[in-house]
Amino acid sequence: NAGVTQTPKFQVLKTGQSMTLQCAQDMNHEYMSWYRQDPGMGLRLIHYSVGAGITDQGEVPNGYNVSRSTTEDFPLRLLSAAPSQTSVYFCASSYSSAAANYGYTFGSGTRLTVV
Amino acid sequence: GQNIDQPTEMTATEGAIVQINCTYQTSGFNGLFWYQQHAGEAPTFLSYNVLDGLEEKGRFSSFLSRSKGYSYLLLKELQMKDSASYLCAVRDRGKAAGNKLTFGGGTRVLVKP
Repeated sequence: NAGVTQTPKFQVLKTGQSMTLQCAQDMNHEYMSWYRQDPGMGLRLIHYSVGAGITDQGEVPNGYNVSRSTTEDFPLRLLSAAPSQTSVYFCASSYSSAAANYGYTFGSGTRLTVV
Repeated sequence: GQNIDQPTEMTATEGAIVQINCTYQTSGFNGLFWYQQHAGEAPTFLSYNVLDGLEEKGRFSSFLSRSKGYSYLLLKELQMKDSASYLCAVRDRGKAAGNKLTFGGGTRVLVKP
């Protein structure tokens, strides 16, 4: 069981470049989300999805797009990278019920630097 | 929206007890989670509270008071490996939110010998 797989683990981009961070889970989780974590800070929600075909914005969505065409995959696209997007990105998944103790399973993170 | 506050950093001695407080103000509440995050790693799930009271899991306990918007994580018999950041997170109410969590800034705990 792979859990949540994020690729790449490290990436350096030039300002203005675009790229896609990949996230895949094999636990049949309905809920998936993307967070960014800046030094000394907690996690801030970028986008989330409660199921295939459904996405919504989180706290800091500007500059990022997502899609959810399958239950397994939830890619995050940076449209035109900016230095302010230098951060560690985490993908997380869980069952979607809002009535139970469903902790997140996190991917190992992508460390992105924009120069 | 959600507003979640926790202390930035705490220091404690090996074998001692440390209590990490978390206060929150929410437009809708449907549970509070604690996660542990070691430096350079992903967070891992520690505990969950949705009703008032204390939940105990070995050396770790978590308490919730919904009327006060307050939770704490209690770490007993501290070990060096407990040096990590501890993140408090609140789940939104509402089916459309699914399992959406808002995280606090995290509390970095340093355990000294």
